Amino acid sequence: DTAVSQTPKYLVTQMGNDKSIKCEQNLGHDTMYWYKQDSKKFLKIMFSYNNKELIINETVPNRFSPKSPDKAHLNLHINSLELGDSAVYFCASSRSEGRSTEAFFGQGTRLTVV
Amino acid sequence: DQQVKQNSPSLSVQEGRISILNCDYTNSMFDYFLWYKKYPAEGPTFLISISSIKDKNEDGRFTVFLNKSAKHLSLHIVPSQPGDSAVYFCAASPNRDDKIIFGKGTRLHILP
Repeated sequence: DTAVSQTPKYLVTQMGNDKSIKCEQNLGHDTMYWYKQDSKKFLKIMFSYNNKELIINETVPNRFSPKSPDKAHLNLHINSLELGDSAVYFCASSRSEGRSTEAFFGQGTRLTVV
Repeated sequence: DQQVKQNSPSLSVQEGRISILNCDYTNSMFDYFLWYKKYPAEGPTFLISISSIKDKNEDGRFTVFLNKSAKHLSLHIVPSQPGDSAVYFCAASPNRDDKIIFGKGTRLHILP
């Protein structure tokens, strides 16, 4: 009964490939996020969706496209993968009542581009 | 441009003693602060938070102190236990915004 689950946990792929990471939350939250933890260990927000609508889109290459089929899912599709995309990607969700509240995180997906 | 700074990458504390983790921020628009704990191969888990209208929030062994004038907050864990060994992330949120901005984290080692 994992609250925020993301698949796969590990992903190794070659440069130039297209891959997707899936995220699902069963908490009834209406805001979901994608974060990237880079090699310097910074957790940086990439996208935020509220009720399936994009509300935060940080400076992220167009190769990254989030898709939210419903409130409980936020998938991340990455085209033409590059070496610099190697990182740990975290999905998260939170209640949104007009402001930030505590976010619940998935276990992360370690993406390695070779 | 680090808006949330955790200047100590690691900290070692004897079991039973107090652990103090520090965090500084630069954005005066931040009005909500959070601490997350992260074990290896797991996502961060929420630990404790504080609103800018308070200067202290306590939850069991965990207390967060906020000094707005110094743009500084700290997390106190007392007494420290072996299970507290983890990476602790300080995070902050600007007013009426869903963005949570994280520091780089501090790795806490609790020594037996």
